[in-house]
Amino acid sequence: QLVLTQSPSASASLGASVKLTCTLSSGHSTYAIAWHQQQPDKGPRYLMKLSSDGSHRKGDGIPDRFSGSSSGAERYLTISSLQSEDEADYYCQSWVTGFRVFGGGTKLTVL
Amino acid sequence: EVQLVESGGGLAQPGGSLRLSCAASGFTLSNYEMNWVRQAPGKGLDWVSYISGSGTTINYADSVKGRFTISRDDAKGSLYLQMNSLRAEDTAVYYCARGPVGIIDYWGQGTLVAVSS
Repeated sequence: QLVLTQSPSASASLGASVKLTCTLSSGHSTYAIAWHQQQPDKGPRYLMKLSSDGSHRKGDGIPDRFSGSSSGAERYLTISSLQSEDEADYYCQSWVTGFRVFGGGTKLTVL
Repeated sequence: EVQLVESGGGLAQPGGSLRLSCAASGFTLSNYEMNWVRQAPGKGLDWVSYISGSGTTINYADSVKGRFTISRDDAKGSLYLQMNSLRAEDTAVYYCARGPVGIIDYWGQGTLVAVSS
């Protein structure tokens, strides 16, 4: 069964960088994922698709400050030069044919 | 510009029904897999249902199987979710989401469904 695991919370200072992690369950380490951002009281927004080799394709208008990388079963979202508007919930998402799966989300606080 | 606009949410009684609609524009709906995703108050994202571009493959989360029905009318540029036998735990914001090749790449703004007596 495909399960995505995320830490519930993370924090970093304004102007710093932060790396969020999404871990794929055993047997699914080659799966690609997508990262989504949800700012307070808004709908989600697609950030990027991230493959197992670390290649990623960002959505329209996503700043260069957002990047992705991979290592084994872990998929990372790195946000550099943190801004106040980056304070949001971040979700990873993957799929098996015909089904979609979300991680529990990480709430990022910008200090 | 891709746009997904949901409608049809509101207050329903337990055991009641609602039909959600999603108006798609800025792309050819028939070329894309589509999904419904919901978010209960204060909770994370929860996938509800999927329909393939041809409409021939449909899947549901176990929590809604047998109660919800997804459908599409590509000529009208619309996606639907018929929700029957509603329960309190179905209370959530429901999002229409475009899903090419597994990922979700566009989201609607959501419509709120509240189930309460």
